[in-house]
Amino acid sequence: RKEVEQDPGPFNVPEGATVAFNCTYSNSASQSFFWYRQDCRKEPKLLMSVYSSGNEDGRFTAQLNRASQYISLLIRDSKLSDSATYLCAVVGNTNAGKSTFGDGTTLTVKP
Amino acid sequence: DADVTQTPRNRITKTGKRIMLECSQTKGHDRMYWYRQDPGLGLRLIYYSFDVKDINKGEISDGYSVSRQAQAKFSLSLESAIPNQTALYFCASGGGGVETQYFGPGTRLLVL
Repeated sequence: RKEVEQDPGPFNVPEGATVAFNCTYSNSASQSFFWYRQDCRKEPKLLMSVYSSGNEDGRFTAQLNRASQYISLLIRDSKLSDSATYLCAVVGNTNAGKSTFGDGTTLTVKP
Repeated sequence: DADVTQTPRNRITKTGKRIMLECSQTKGHDRMYWYRQDPGLGLRLIYYSFDVKDINKGEISDGYSVSRQAQAKFSLSLESAIPNQTALYFCASGGGGVETQYFGPGTRLLVL
C-alpha cells in the first residue's frame, strides 16, 4: 500500500459545480498536510496547508480527518481555470522536512 | 525573477553519457530536494539535503548522485544516463520552520 493515495480521476465537472477530492495516508503519526496544484507539465505550487481545524481560502476548503487518516479538498463554484492536477503531500513525524506526495487527482472543468 | 531556477530546461542526451542538472534558489532555504516525475505519476524523491553538509538518499537514488555546492545550489548528476531516466525533473527548496516546498520550473530530460 502506498503511503499516500489519491483517486487519479479524471474528474470532469461543469463550470459552477462543487467537487471534492480525498487523499488517504497510512502513517497515523503524520504531522503536516498540504495541497499543491500542478498545471500540465509545470511545477507544483502550494495551494493550501491543511490544519486540524480546517482551512478555507475563497472557494477552496481543506479538511483533515485524523481518525480516518485522510485529507480533503473541496472546490466550490468551479472555474475553467481550476482545471489542473491536485497533489496532496504529507509529512510524517519521523521525517520532518520530507514530504510524501500522492500521484495527483486530475480535474477538468468544462464550459 | 523566479525563486528556484533550474538549468537546463530541456536536455536530450544519449545512453551512457554523464549529465548534470543544476538548481539554484534565492529564498535562503536550508533544505533542497530533487524529484522526478513520470507521466501519470506523482513526484518521487531522488535526493534531499537539509544543509550543505547533509545529503540523504530518497526512494529512487540508484543511478543518480548530487552535490550541495552551497546553501543556494544543489546539482543532480546522472553518471551514465539510461533511457528509463527519461522524465521531468524538479528541484525544490524549503525552510523557515515550515514544511512547504517551492519548486523550480523543471528540466525535461530525454535519454536516447
